[in-house]
Amino acid sequence: DGGITQSPKYLFRKEGQNVTLSCEQNLNHDAMYWYRQDPGQGLRLIYYSQIVNDFQKGDIAEGYSVSREKKESFPLTVTSAQKNPTAFYLCASSAGQIFYNEQFFGPGTRLTVL
Amino acid sequence: SQQGEEDPQALSIQEGENATMNCSYKTSINNLQWYRQNSGRGLVHLILIRSNEREKHSGRLRVTLDTSKKSSSLLITASRAADTASYFCATDEGNNDMRFGAGTRLTVKP
Repeated sequence: DGGITQSPKYLFRKEGQNVTLSCEQNLNHDAMYWYRQDPGQGLRLIYYSQIVNDFQKGDIAEGYSVSREKKESFPLTVTSAQKNPTAFYLCASSAGQIFYNEQFFGPGTRLTVL
Repeated sequence: SQQGEEDPQALSIQEGENATMNCSYKTSINNLQWYRQNSGRGLVHLILIRSNEREKHSGRLRVTLDTSKKSSSLLITASRAADTASYFCATDEGNNDMRFGAGTRLTVKP
C-alpha cells in the first residue's frame, strides 16, 4: 500500500528533553512538510523540503530541527528550546514542486510535555 | 499567521441538506485547496483549484473561486452523517508558504 506513515501515534516528553518524530512515505514524492496543529486551530508550517539534503524553515521553525537524508524520510526533532511543544504534529508529502499539488497527510503524532 | 479564514466556524445541519462553507484570504494566490479532517486524524485532500479556475466538482463537492473577492466556497450536497468533520481551506501564496484557516466544524445529524 502506498502512503505516508508517522510514528509514534502518542509521545510523552519531559521538559528539557529532545524528541524525534518519524515520517516515512513510499509515494515517491519529492516534497515533504511538517505542520503543527493546536486545539481548534488550523495548521502552521514548521519546515518543508523539496529535495534530499535540502529543507527550509516555515512559519514557526524555532525550537525544531529536521533532516532529509533520504527521499522517503523526513524526521522532525522537537528540541528543549521549543517553549510550548504540546500539540498535534502532522507530516505531509506531495508530488512535483513544493506547495503546487495536493498534499497527502500522515495520521499525526500527538506530543504531550509532562 | 493565517491566510484563509473559514466561515462559519461551526455548522450543524440535517442529513440530506446541503452544507456551504466559505473561505476568505488576503493576498493573491497560486491555488486554493480544501481539506477534511476527522477528529484526531490527519487531513484528507478534497479539491485543489488554481487561480485561473472558477469552479471545480468532485462527486458531491463543488468548489468555487472568486479571485476578485478573494474568496472560495465549498458546497457539499445531500450531506450524510459521515460528512461530519472539520473542513479547512489552504492557500499557496507563492512565497514558499501554505496557509491554513482555522476550519469549519460541520455536524450532520442523522
